[in-house]
Amino acid sequence: SQQGEEDPQALSIQEGENATMNCSYKTSINNLQWYRQNSGRGLVHLILIRSNEREKHSGRLRVTLDTSKKSSSLLITASRAADTASYFCATDQAGTALIFGKGTTLSVSS
Amino acid sequence: DAGITQSPRHKVTETGTPVTLRCHQTENHRYMYWYRQDPGHGLRLIHYSYGVKDTDKGEVSDGYSVSRSKTEDFLLTLESATSSQTSVYFCAINPNRDHEQYFGPGTRLTVT
Repeated sequence: SQQGEEDPQALSIQEGENATMNCSYKTSINNLQWYRQNSGRGLVHLILIRSNEREKHSGRLRVTLDTSKKSSSLLITASRAADTASYFCATDQAGTALIFGKGTTLSVSS
Repeated sequence: DAGITQSPRHKVTETGTPVTLRCHQTENHRYMYWYRQDPGHGLRLIHYSYGVKDTDKGEVSDGYSVSRSKTEDFLLTLESATSSQTSVYFCAINPNRDHEQYFGPGTRLTVT
């Protein structure tokens, strides 16, 4: 069964706008990771946030983690057409392998 | 793609035939994983390995077996392929279990 569930399933925005995706999970985690997948390609790691961290930045990406609400958000600022992809959250629980959500499909139009 | 390759990249096979997919890495990472990706299901773990000859089952392991006789190679075998195993299969690696994973390019398998 999926541990992480992304919301929304699909998101369409214009270039220059910000994109926010959310991930909810069910049990305690060691860390939460975000991945991007371009059409027909393998997943690429974006950012990892540990359970004792609340926010992390990487370039135009900002990830937050709220362990009390069991949720995370990924913000992409000033979106570009090249950001068009599917985005997945994945949770790392003690004693199990990484569990991926079903993903959010982001479409950025120029 | 972080020194990870998959072969074949595309395969069409008939129901009931055996199929083996290969994942090869040049990173000397300890952990290797096999996932399948299907519309509406995201990525689901089939099997993973935490060392040579050390493997464990994932969420959707029925109908699949794996072997790892060398650090660099992780094989996924469908003993008798079924149409429900039509999917895109991804291999991933990482040096430690809580580290980010690096993915291969994927194998598109069609079972007719």
